[in-house]
Amino acid sequence: NAGVTQTPKFQVLKTGQSMTLQCAQDMNHEYMSWYRQDPGMGLRLIHYSVGAGITDQGEVPNGYNVSRSTTEDFPLRLLSAAPSQTSVYFCASSYSMFGSDTEAFFGQGTRLTVV
Amino acid sequence: GENVEQHPSTLSVQEGDSAVIKCTYSDSASNYFPWYKQELGKGPQLIIDIRSNVGEKKDQRIAVTLNKTAKHFSLHITETQPEDSAVYFCAASLLGGWGKLQFGAGTQVVVTP
Repeated sequence: NAGVTQTPKFQVLKTGQSMTLQCAQDMNHEYMSWYRQDPGMGLRLIHYSVGAGITDQGEVPNGYNVSRSTTEDFPLRLLSAAPSQTSVYFCASSYSMFGSDTEAFFGQGTRLTVV
Repeated sequence: GENVEQHPSTLSVQEGDSAVIKCTYSDSASNYFPWYKQELGKGPQLIIDIRSNVGEKKDQRIAVTLNKTAKHFSLHITETQPEDSAVYFCAASLLGGWGKLQFGAGTQVVVTP
């Protein structure tokens, strides 16, 4: 059971470049989300999805796009990278957003540097 | 929206001593409060959580307390061990579960032998 898999683990981009951060889970979880982690700020929610075909914005969505065509995959797209997007990105999944037994499983993270 | 403040930002303790991390939240409607442990190079992992209808919860050496009136909750680690060294995050949610969590800034805990 692989859990939540993120690729790549590290990435350096030039300002203006685009890229996609991949996230896949094999637990048949409906709920998936993307967070960014910056020093001294904890984790902030970028986008989330409650199921295939359904996505919504979190706290800091600007500059990022998402789609959810399958239950397993939830890619995060940076269309035109900016230095302010330098961060560590975490994908997480859970059976549900609500109620009990909703433990979230996090991936290992992607460390992104935009120069 | 919800705002979560966490203190202290760093905490050094001797092995065997207790560690306490405190968080306050702003929205009285928040009803789910998990704690995560993040080891170097890894993603956060849930260690304990509490819901608003409970005042205290324990799991071996870890306990969480919730004061709804004062809008604060705390993580208590007893008999600390070197493997407890990590960054700990508190969080709060209005949804009763894990969705749309608002995280604190984190506490770096260092346990010295």
